[in-house]
Amino acid sequence: GQQVMQIPQYQHVQEGEDFTTYCNSSTTLSNIQWYKQRPGGHPVFLIQLVKSGEVKKQKRLTFQFGEAKKNSSLHITATQTTDVGTYFCAGLRTGGFKTIFGAGTRLFVKA
Amino acid sequence: NAGVTQTPKFRVLKTGQSMTLLCAQDMNHEYMYWYRQDPGMGLRLIHYSVGEGTTAKGEVPDGYNVSRLKKQNFLLGLESAAPSQTSVYFCASSFPGGDVTGELFFGEGSRLTVL
Repeated sequence: GQQVMQIPQYQHVQEGEDFTTYCNSSTTLSNIQWYKQRPGGHPVFLIQLVKSGEVKKQKRLTFQFGEAKKNSSLHITATQTTDVGTYFCAGLRTGGFKTIFGAGTRLFVKA
Repeated sequence: NAGVTQTPKFRVLKTGQSMTLLCAQDMNHEYMYWYRQDPGMGLRLIHYSVGEGTTAKGEVPDGYNVSRLKKQNFLLGLESAAPSQTSVYFCASSFPGGDVTGELFFGEGSRLTVL
């Protein structure tokens, strides 16, 4: 079945350092979505990537979708304490209906 | 506009008891999903529905049943609860757009403990 792997599982950074999480799918994806979940909260949608090689930016966040549409990354520049939480990627297989989530990367930011 | 509402938010069950989690959305979304979240394992899809009257199995469907009798509601049932079903359950909905699904809107979660 479709699998979405995400690394690292945890990341501790000093405030101001950069952070990257990576997502890899065992199958080609129609799209990939990224979500953020604050501690004790529910996942909240950040962005969706659809096109091969697509790059999107949201302020300090940069999202990339691989050329083969099987991998993606989220990069945060100059982390802040408000970035704390778990970041999930979620992929939809081509022709499928199921959105499958990676295990998430939990980000800790030390002030 | 409430979005996605889950009830109950907390529940403690004894092994073998049954219960139903209710998810309601007021966004007229076609797709609805039930996920469970366990530490270190992310969100795993239990069942999903692409429209009223239709349901399908996700990654971890065993021990659960679902129904989508009305477009706005998606029910998750546990017929005989087991300790392995202790988890946080999230319902989500989305509106499909072309060849891809749209963003998922999540409820606040239901924390279930099975003793």
